[in-house]
Amino acid sequence: GDSVTQTEGPVTLSEGTSLTVNCSYETKQYPTLFWYVQYPGEGPQLLFKVPKANEKGSNRGFEATYNKEATSFHLQKASVQESDSAVYYCALSGTGGSALGRLHFGAGTQLIVIP
Amino acid sequence: NSKVIQTPRYLVKGQGQKAKMRCIPEKGHPVVFWYQQNKNNEFKFLINFQNQEVLQQIDMTEKRFSAECPSNSPCSLEIQSSEAGDSALYLCASRQNSGNTLYFGEGSRLIVV
Repeated sequence: GDSVTQTEGPVTLSEGTSLTVNCSYETKQYPTLFWYVQYPGEGPQLLFKVPKANEKGSNRGFEATYNKEATSFHLQKASVQESDSAVYYCALSGTGGSALGRLHFGAGTQLIVIP
Repeated sequence: NSKVIQTPRYLVKGQGQKAKMRCIPEKGHPVVFWYQQNKNNEFKFLINFQNQEVLQQIDMTEKRFSAECPSNSPCSLEIQSSEAGDSALYLCASRQNSGNTLYFGEGSRLIVV
């Protein structure tokens, strides 16, 4: 079945340092890949998505490239801020029928940014 | 700022009691999902609807949960007889017919004591 594996947290960084959260996936389909972010007391919010292999998504300084050969979708940010502290989820979506839009989430990576 | 509205934000129930949560999907989104997020942040898909029809559901949902999305009324998820293991954040999400992006509400946190 479909699965997503990501960096185990928590990840603790100082403000201004760079972030990489690894994400690997398994699927027999051709998924859209997502990064969601969840702040305390809130539901997950879409950070960005990439529907096609070899394309890059980005938002708020975060970016990830859909690498079909390596089955990876690593999240990166050059310089984190305290406000980036949250839990980040990598997810994939099926591409057809009732599976369309059903997301398979990774376990989440908690990011703690120290000022 | 979620456009998917979930109520209540919190509910506390005793074991064996019913627990009911409601969801108003984003306007124009006919497909609705319910997920359970446990204390380890793991997501479990429960059920999804397209308009009023169930698309998929897991065994647990068939047996102890009931859910519906009636026309012109909020969707709902009800646990018939709450168990301690049901304590979790219940997330509702919606999407467009042809899209694959889910938009989540803020969730209803159930505590079963």
